[in-house]
Amino acid sequence: QVQLQQSGPGLVKPSQTLSLTCAISGDSVSSNSAAWHWFRQSPSRGLEWLGRTYYRSKWYNDYAVSVKSRITINPDTSKNQFSLQLNSVTPEDTAVYYCAKGVNWFDPWGQGTLVTVSS
Amino acid sequence: DIVMTQTPLSLSVTPGQPASISCKSSQSLLQSDGKTHLYWYLQKPGQPPQLLISEVSNRFSGVPDRFSGSGSGTDFTLRISRVEAEDVGVYYCMHTMQLPYTFGQGTKLEIK
Repeated sequence: QVQLQQSGPGLVKPSQTLSLTCAISGDSVSSNSAAWHWFRQSPSRGLEWLGRTYYRSKWYNDYAVSVKSRITINPDTSKNQFSLQLNSVTPEDTAVYYCAKGVNWFDPWGQGTLVTVSS
Repeated sequence: DIVMTQTPLSLSVTPGQPASISCKSSQSLLQSDGKTHLYWYLQKPGQPPQLLISEVSNRFSGVPDRFSGSGSGTDFTLRISRVEAEDVGVYYCMHTMQLPYTFGQGTKLEIK
């Protein structure tokens, strides 16, 4: 079955870039029938969809307006994974970040990564 | 953005008793394809959300039949016919009608 394994630092300094990776097993990031998403969860914002990447003869990305100027989600076909980069982070970006597979619903999810933004 | 509103925000239920959670969306979740893009997730402590119900009423693989979903348009309900200890956690409704996908605030289920 499909499994997602997240990796990346748990502490990022303000104004720097948050970078996380989601490694896929049991499926392909280039699948024509899947989409790959990032979410985050914090006490103040609840569960929040951040964006997605997917392949339909070419690559597409969509991002939440709240982070659109700061976010990049990239597929890496050589490693069968996808990544999240969030620039210019502030303490407001402190959250548990999740990756997930899905088109209309989301399953599976990564294990979650707590990212704290602090100097 | 579509706003998802859940009630109640917390529930305390005796094992074996039923439980019900309401979810209302700020606009209809019925798509032109005839599907209603309303989903229910359960997040157990320390875990990511797990899918319970898809498209209003379809139990996901492995979900016990004590869980059921109903509703249409903008009003939806998740029911647990007989609550068990393993059902504790936070329940979320979510839509994928349009971007951005949004979640309800969550309903925390505790066992009495």
